[in-house]
Amino acid sequence: DQQVKQNSPSLSVQEGRISILNCDYTNSMFDYFLWYKKYPAEGPTFLISISSIKDKNEDGRFTVFLNKSAKHLSLHIVPSQPGDSAVYFCAATQGTYKYIFGTGTRLKVLA
Amino acid sequence: GAVVSQHPSWVICKSGTSVKIECRSLDFQATTMFWYRQFPKQSLMLMATSNEGSKATYEQGVEKDKFLINHASLTLSTLTVTSAHPEDSSFYICSARDRDTVYGYTFGSGTRLTVV
Repeated sequence: DQQVKQNSPSLSVQEGRISILNCDYTNSMFDYFLWYKKYPAEGPTFLISISSIKDKNEDGRFTVFLNKSAKHLSLHIVPSQPGDSAVYFCAATQGTYKYIFGTGTRLKVLA
Repeated sequence: GAVVSQHPSWVICKSGTSVKIECRSLDFQATTMFWYRQFPKQSLMLMATSNEGSKATYEQGVEKDKFLINHASLTLSTLTVTSAHPEDSSFYICSARDRDTVYGYTFGSGTRLTVV
């Protein structure tokens, strides 16, 4: 049973436009969510996080939105840059360091 | 920020042999480290939680005798894949708590294991 789902395996966006990556979860007890970026043959790097008590968190070009009623979070990247091309994972946890990861979405930003 | 070094970055071994992967926290002490495995086009799956000075906690379905974890110091955890088989070929990643980010991990660069 996949508790964290990223239903879009890939996404292509033109440089300068907005990239929207989506993530759905099933466990309403999750209280913290993170987004990680991963390049090939490298470990994931932390991007941005959000607590369940918030509905938005912004850091530069990256904004994460959380809709608890829909059990949905999204990552917005504006403006998208070619260097943003990577695989993006969302992850969720319930009060611990044990995370459940989604399957990832491969973002390709076209120059 | 916190840095986690993982070694080797890739390894090819013969079926039946054992392979050791090291994970080091370079500028901080990590009492707890985590080992993940990622198969192609799949998510990172937590294998085990490595605790300094005590036994590792394995996730359901992970063979303890096959994936030996040792966390003998505050800066080093090792994962040994024993009697490796081709189905063990995968990308293994370690992580440790990132003190700068609430609930955040710092990941190592990963190890690509190929068993032939």
